[in-house]
Amino acid sequence: GDSVTQMEGPVTLSEEAFLTINCTYTATGYPSLFWYVQYPGEGLQLLLKATKADDKGSNKGFEATYRKETTSFHLEKGSVQVSDSAVYFCALSETGANSKLTFGKGITLSVRP
Amino acid sequence: DTAVSQTPKYLVTQMGNDKSIKCEQNLGHDTMYWYKQDSKKFLKIMFSYNNKELIINETVPNRFSPKSPDKAHLNLHINSLELGDSAVYFCASNRKGGGYGYTFGSGTRLTVV
Repeated sequence: GDSVTQMEGPVTLSEEAFLTINCTYTATGYPSLFWYVQYPGEGLQLLLKATKADDKGSNKGFEATYRKETTSFHLEKGSVQVSDSAVYFCALSETGANSKLTFGKGITLSVRP
Repeated sequence: DTAVSQTPKYLVTQMGNDKSIKCEQNLGHDTMYWYKQDSKKFLKIMFSYNNKELIINETVPNRFSPKSPDKAHLNLHINSLELGDSAVYFCASNRKGGGYGYTFGSGTRLTVV
């Protein structure tokens, strides 16, 4: 079945540091890929998405490129802020009527001033 | 306007009780979901409904029974609550097809004592 693997956390960075969070996936078809963010005490918010190979999703300074050849969707940001501290989830969804989101385990990012 | 709203936000109850969580979306989406987030933040799908029809039922105990009176509402009823049911339950919705972003509610934190 489908699965998503995220790098182990937690991750602690200083403000303005470069961020990379690795994500790889296994899927039978051609899934859409997503990054969701969960701020403390809140629900999940869609951060960015990509629906086909070589697409780049971007939002709030975050970027991720759909790499079919390496089955990866790594999240990057050039300069993190304290307000980026949250849990980040990589997820995939197959197309079709029975679509569902399959999540990675999530990784906690803490950014210190 | 809240897109996906869940009630209650917090629910504390004793073992053996029966409780319900309600979810409503005003996005006109066709499909609604229940996800469970455990204490390690792992998110797993429980159910999905498309236009009031049950589509996904992921090996969830029979004590959990979803009900969708119309495509804008998906409720979750839990019988004979157990300690292990303590978790955060998220409702979500999306347009049929999976490639679109899923919109999540803010979650219901259920604590069974």
